[in-house]
Amino acid sequence: DVKVTQSSRYLVKRTGEKVFLECVQDMDHENMFWYRQDPGLGLRLIYFSYDVKMKEKGDIPEGYSVSREKKERFSLILESASTNQTSMYLCASSSHPWTGKGPYNEQFFGPGTRLTVL
Amino acid sequence: DQQVKQNSPSLSVQEGRISILNCDYTNSMFDYFLWYKKYPAEGPTFLISISSIKDKNEDGRFTVFLNKSAKHLSLHIVPSQPGDSAVYFCAASRRTGNQFYFGTGTSLTVIP
Repeated sequence: DVKVTQSSRYLVKRTGEKVFLECVQDMDHENMFWYRQDPGLGLRLIYFSYDVKMKEKGDIPEGYSVSREKKERFSLILESASTNQTSMYLCASSSHPWTGKGPYNEQFFGPGTRLTVL
Repeated sequence: DQQVKQNSPSLSVQEGRISILNCDYTNSMFDYFLWYKKYPAEGPTFLISISSIKDKNEDGRFTVFLNKSAKHLSLHIVPSQPGDSAVYFCAASRRTGNQFYFGTGTSLTVIP
């Protein structure tokens, strides 16, 4: 059974703290993604990675950074948390279209981390 | 700029009736479309997809229709069941690409 796991389901942090959100997938996927979900705004892409040590900015990268040192793990870092970063954070993974592993072009999501910044 | 749009934030349907969820996109390069279902406090799960070479794909109670000329797709659920109550996201991508573009979601409520 394919799996994407996220380190915490719920997290409460204070303004200015450094926050790490961890995501691990066991499907040997090349691609990994971080989204945030907010009411009325849907899923917005923060960063994605298509290979170890590679990263690409998504639509809303400001205030975030990422790290991918191993293929199975993709970390989202909030350098100095702010109240407007209170949100549901979702990690996803997918295989690259050219690997032939399939089902490509389908993203598998983790359960999400509900982050509250006070 | 939102490349995938779901203009109805919510929809209520009686159990047993048809639910129709709509999605529009602006980028003509998109050639693969997916629908995801999301329950509260869970991650989205894949529901059904369609490639641009087709105009319809069916899986049980779920059918997705694609109108390329109108850049419009729709998800039909027949018959609707209370367990279908969830937020539905449509997503689009290029088949050779890595990135997905999601709509803002439609919250479906199926009334028993």
